[in-house]
Amino acid sequence: GENVEQHPSTLSVQEGDSAVIKCTYSDSASNYFPWYKQELGKRPQLIIDIRSNVGEKKDQRIAVTLNKTAKHFSLHITETQPEDSAVYFCAASETSYDKVIFGPGTSLSVIP
Amino acid sequence: DGGITQSPKYLFRKEGQNVTLSCEQNLNHDAMYWYRQDPGQGLRLIYYSQIVNDFQKGDIAEGYSVSREKKESFPLTVTSAQKNPTAFYLCASHTGEHYNEQFFGPGTRLTVL
Repeated sequence: GENVEQHPSTLSVQEGDSAVIKCTYSDSASNYFPWYKQELGKRPQLIIDIRSNVGEKKDQRIAVTLNKTAKHFSLHITETQPEDSAVYFCAASETSYDKVIFGPGTSLSVIP
Repeated sequence: DGGITQSPKYLFRKEGQNVTLSCEQNLNHDAMYWYRQDPGQGLRLIYYSQIVNDFQKGDIAEGYSVSREKKESFPLTVTSAQKNPTAFYLCASHTGEHYNEQFFGPGTRLTVL
């Protein structure tokens, strides 16, 4: 079955710097890759996703890149702000409503 | 935040007892999911259901059971066979259409005493 690895497990950056979180997946059939953000004490919420037919997607300060050949995808946050502090999960699935396998998460701290 | 609810928020049970966690959604979503969240291990899939009266095991189904008698409801029973049940449990739902997001409930924190 699918296995998703995520690095780093913790990440601290100064406010205004960029943050990068990297994930790898094992199942070449996966073609949907969402990213969820979970603030402390709250439920996970989707922040961005990418499909296999796209190499990059941007939404304001957030971007995701996908390399299907290498089976890895990354989340890039620019101009980080304290409110970006949270746990970020990458995930992979064949379709978005099928089994969605999550990575172990990255705890991001943005230092003011 | 509305649309998918879980109850109770905190639950305590004695070792050897079964307990049922509630998950209800009024989003008219076809698919529903149960995840277990432990520190450093992300979200692990317990069971999922893509349609009423049907469900599939996820990666860590042992010691758990579910039912899907109504579209709106997907209760999870943690049985006494689950060796390490203390965890945070998250329910989610999805429209069933391609490339739409999963919506999560607020979670239930289960503690076995």
